[in-house]
Amino acid sequence: EAQVTQNPRYLITVTGKKLTVTCSQNMNHEYMSWYRQDPGLGLRQIYYSMNVEVTDKGDVPEGYKVSRKEKRNFPLILESPSPNQTSLYFCASSLRDSSVETQYFGPGTRLLVL
Amino acid sequence: GESVGLHLPTLSVQEGDNSIINCAYSNSASDYFIWYKQESGKGPQFIIDIRSNMDKRQGQRVTVLLNKTVKHLSLQIAATQPGDSAVYFCAETSLNDYKLSFGAGTTVTVRA
Repeated sequence: EAQVTQNPRYLITVTGKKLTVTCSQNMNHEYMSWYRQDPGLGLRQIYYSMNVEVTDKGDVPEGYKVSRKEKRNFPLILESPSPNQTSLYFCASSLRDSSVETQYFGPGTRLLVL
Repeated sequence: GESVGLHLPTLSVQEGDNSIINCAYSNSASDYFIWYKQESGKGPQFIIDIRSNMDKRQGQRVTVLLNKTVKHLSLQIAATQPGDSAVYFCAETSLNDYKLSFGAGTTVTVRA
């Protein structure tokens, strides 16, 4: 089954404790992206990657890092989480030649930073 | 700054009626628009898209209209069903770009 998986689905942590949210897709997609969703703000793009070893900033990259060492994985790293990073996070992927037309979204990761 | 936004945060619709969800955009460089549906507890799902060289596109029970003159986008859902209850987002981008900007979303509730 074609899918995007994220782990963990729920996470409670404390300020300053480094964490990683994993994202994996099994569709051989070149393009992957991370979004955060906050009430009243819709989804905002954090980082995206057009292929292995190619990443770029989205609209709200501050406080986040990503890596793309393999095509299927695109982890989101919070080196020193802060309470304003409490949010719902979505990973997405799509075929590069279709741009963002048919992005497949993961189920989301709900993060609470105390 | 430039942004994509929806006119109404909520919409209540009687089952069987048609729904119209509106979206205004301000980035004149955008040439590709997408509607997503997000059900409770799930990630957004692609519904339909439209490129700026079109003003109308139809799918199964859904139609997207694009008015470039007033920078307005709408999603019409025919014969709304309970399963259509969700949050609907419009999004804009350029075909040569991989950055996607979402509106704030409209919550559609279908009344039985």
